[in-house]
Amino acid sequence: QVQLQESGPGLVKPSETLSLTCTVSGGSISSYYWSWIRQPPGKGLEWIGYIYYSGSTNYNPSLKSRVTISVDTSKNQFSLKLSSVTAADTAVYYCARGIFPGNPLSPYYFDYWGQGTLVTVSS
Amino acid sequence: SYELTQPPSVSVSPGQTARITCSGDALPKKYAYWYQQKSGQAPVLVIYEDSKRPSGIPERFSGSSSGTMATLTISGAQVEDEADYYCYSTDSSGNHRGVFGGGTKLTVL
Repeated sequence: QVQLQESGPGLVKPSETLSLTCTVSGGSISSYYWSWIRQPPGKGLEWIGYIYYSGSTNYNPSLKSRVTISVDTSKNQFSLKLSSVTAADTAVYYCARGIFPGNPLSPYYFDYWGQGTLVTVSS
Repeated sequence: SYELTQPPSVSVSPGQTARITCSGDALPKKYAYWYQQKSGQAPVLVIYEDSKRPSGIPERFSGSSSGTMATLTISGAQVEDEADYYCYSTDSSGNHRGVFGGGTKLTVL
């Protein structure tokens, strides 16, 4: 059974960089699209982006200038960095495993999720 | 940017049928997925490729799609089905950027 676990600081100061790591256990990090999704308190889900195990990335255009997702296959981990954060970046951040089914009709989607970690941006 | 539109809330009595809709211009070309999120928990996939049910998901959950609208149906809704439901897809441009609907709060009481 694949499990994902987010880790990182729960409090980040405005203008600083948010850094989170997701550790994958129970399966290899190869051949999937490792994704980050966030959810501000009381609001809906927002896709942040993904990284393929080989290193190619795809980001939400609204966050692209501030987001970097990286992968460390030797540690079965992938990471999120979000720079110049403001209070609007306060959210529960989820990591998830993404799959491309290979059918042109099928978008890439998420089958396993971490439990999520709350990151608060405040001085 | 591409958007998926859902009603903010749906309310039914236990045993009734709940229907949650999701509209998007690319849905004739891209499948819809549905996630259930209970309070304080991570989302769980309940429907994939418009109408398929993952193993372990009760048969009362079903999905359909017609034109620009996908629908999640819960036949004989139970109190434990009370949750937020999100549709998910991507646009048809081939950019593979994920998009979630705004979410629908299902109340069963």
